[in-house]
Amino acid sequence: QSALTQPASVSGSPGQSITISCTGTSSDVGGYNYVSWYQQHPGKAPKLMIYDVAKRPSGVSNRFSGSKSGNTASLTISGLQAEDEADYYCSSKRSVSSWVFGGGTKLTVL
Amino acid sequence: EVQLVESGGVLVQPGGSLRLSCAASGFTFSGYAMTWVRQAPGKGLQWVSAVSGSGGSTYYADSVKGRFTISRDNSKNTLYLQVDSLSAEDTAVYYCAKALRGDGYNFEVGCDYWGQGTLVTVSS
Repeated sequence: QSALTQPASVSGSPGQSITISCTGTSSDVGGYNYVSWYQQHPGKAPKLMIYDVAKRPSGVSNRFSGSKSGNTASLTISGLQAEDEADYYCSSKRSVSSWVFGGGTKLTVL
Repeated sequence: EVQLVESGGVLVQPGGSLRLSCAASGFTFSGYAMTWVRQAPGKGLQWVSAVSGSGGSTYYADSVKGRFTISRDNSKNTLYLQVDSLSAEDTAVYYCAKALRGDGYNFEVGCDYWGQGTLVTVSS
């Protein structure tokens, strides 16, 4: 089961905006509005940041937003802050009763 | 407050077996599907298995099908993962996670709470 495709790394300066892409196929990202994004700091458990493509759980900053076009989903972080430096993973429903993650993107705040 | 606490991770020899547990609290355990996700050292997240809220439906990634068995005891609010025929490729931190939706299914929508993980090391 191949993973969704994410860039290995992205970077930005404080206050800037960055976007992380997540490319799949019509069998996962393109076929369902069930893309979620997770933030993971070193040595910590993943934290849900976005679900259903663009919804934010309670408590997650509105600086985080999600979108999707065709087989590619995106996570945008605006007003970049030092605390945003972490690994980010996308995930999607893949066909019936299967869940797939992206390979992960390391965000560096310069 | 939702809490998920995994246990059972140890150093085990190739070909060995063990059972991971995840004790849940702070929510109606039987109302939610539960999942196991693993992360090999320095690698990304990989979905391993899921079980419906009732325990009647189970789901597995192809890489573990036939070797891993997920189960739950709703009377004890505990999730399990029996792992057999272990190889070095199974070395990872294993996280349990609670499905976002409260319909007892649809774990693929995402998980809103995760445990701290338990490390399984397979080595001779």
